[in-house]
Amino acid sequence: AQTVTQSQPEMSVQEAETVTLSCTYDTSESDYYLFWYKQPPSRQMILVIRQEAYKQQNATENRFSVNFQKAAKSFSLKISDSQLGDAAMYFCAYRSQSGVEKLTFGTGTRLTIIP
Amino acid sequence: SQTIHQWPATLVQPVGSPLSLECTVEGTSNPNLYWYRQAAGRGLQLLFYSVGIGQISSEVPQNLSASRPQDRQFILSSKKLLLSDSSFYLCAWSALAAPYNEQFFGPGTRLTVL
Repeated sequence: AQTVTQSQPEMSVQEAETVTLSCTYDTSESDYYLFWYKQPPSRQMILVIRQEAYKQQNATENRFSVNFQKAAKSFSLKISDSQLGDAAMYFCAYRSQSGVEKLTFGTGTRLTIIP
Repeated sequence: SQTIHQWPATLVQPVGSPLSLECTVEGTSNPNLYWYRQAAGRGLQLLFYSVGIGQISSEVPQNLSASRPQDRQFILSSKKLLLSDSSFYLCAWSALAAPYNEQFFGPGTRLTVL
């Protein structure tokens, strides 16, 4: 079974600075998808960014980018120019390419933005 | 565009009472549907998923059940609630044949069992 580990329960960053959230996963599969979700205080889960394992190029969405290291099974999220609205819980998630598309989530990292 | 609705938003129920949480999706057909549970300060745990009407798979044996009476309707139920059922419940959908099959979540239901 796949597992996802987020080793940083809490992180903080100064507004306008850059922060990196860590995520590692364990799988025996070669093809899969990885996601970062954001959960603000409203608790609505919002997809931030996604990555296909077969793609070597790191995904980027505006201020959000990932550092995907397949061999190391690492999938970190970098937030540039942090804004107050980025404050939230961030969850890393894994999905197998085969079978039902169920997500396996990490335990999350709470990100605080310091004004 | 697609939207997903959940209701109620909050619910307080006594131990031993029944439960029915509803999730509906608009703007798409034949979605995969999912029920997750999230304990306070924790990640999401998949409870049930469905790939079609009447097709339900359970991930975690427990006091809950799920049904899919219509294509875009997913219901989470219990005959008798336990204190341990208190949690935040999220419904999600994904589109078949979408490139990433990413899941989109509803606003959630906060359930408190007293």
